[in-house]
Amino acid sequence: KQEVTQIPAALSVPEGENLVLNCSFTDSAIYNLQWFRQDPGKGLTSLLLIQSSQREQTSGRLNASLDKSSGRSTLYIAASQPGDSATYLCAVIHPPPNYGGSQGNLIFGKGTKLSVKP
Amino acid sequence: DVKVTQSSRYLVKRTGEKVFLECVQDMDHENMFWYRQDPGLGLRLIYFSYDVKMKEKGDIPEGYSVSREKKERFSLILESASTNQTSMYLCASSFMGLEAFFGQGTRLTVV
Repeated sequence: KQEVTQIPAALSVPEGENLVLNCSFTDSAIYNLQWFRQDPGKGLTSLLLIQSSQREQTSGRLNASLDKSSGRSTLYIAASQPGDSATYLCAVIHPPPNYGGSQGNLIFGKGTKLSVKP
Repeated sequence: DVKVTQSSRYLVKRTGEKVFLECVQDMDHENMFWYRQDPGLGLRLIYFSYDVKMKEKGDIPEGYSVSREKKERFSLILESASTNQTSMYLCASSFMGLEAFFGQGTRLTVV
């Protein structure tokens, strides 16, 4: 059974630092991997999707990498700001039934709670 | 922009009531999901659907059922609400296992 782990569970950094959030998964037969942000009491906001054929994706100050063979993904945040404070979640996506797979659901890690202090 | 809309942000229901949580997406996505999120347990999949009238059980389907009569709408039903179903419920949709989009969440309290 797929297990997704995010380390660290919580992280506090001063404004301006570059930081890396880690995500590992036990079964490398994933379809895609997606990173989300969640603010307290809110839904999830999609940040980046990395398809299995890709090794990285970039959006603004965010860069996500994927190494399927080692079961790891990292989210790099450059020049962190207080507005980046949130919980960051990674999710692996298995091939859906309508794409030749049998699952299709997202399996989540428990997240990294980031606090960026001014 | 993709929009996934959940019918309520906050709900308070009594034990034993039948509860309906509605989710609508506007991007013609095949896949729709219901998760619940609890502190320390993370997001856990309740049910998902990859086509109209199709449904698959997730990790914690007990006490829940779902309905997908139209492609854009996926309903979660608590047959007889219990206090241990107090939680944040999150609906999502995606196209063929690509980027998933979530609604704003429904905070359900069962008293």
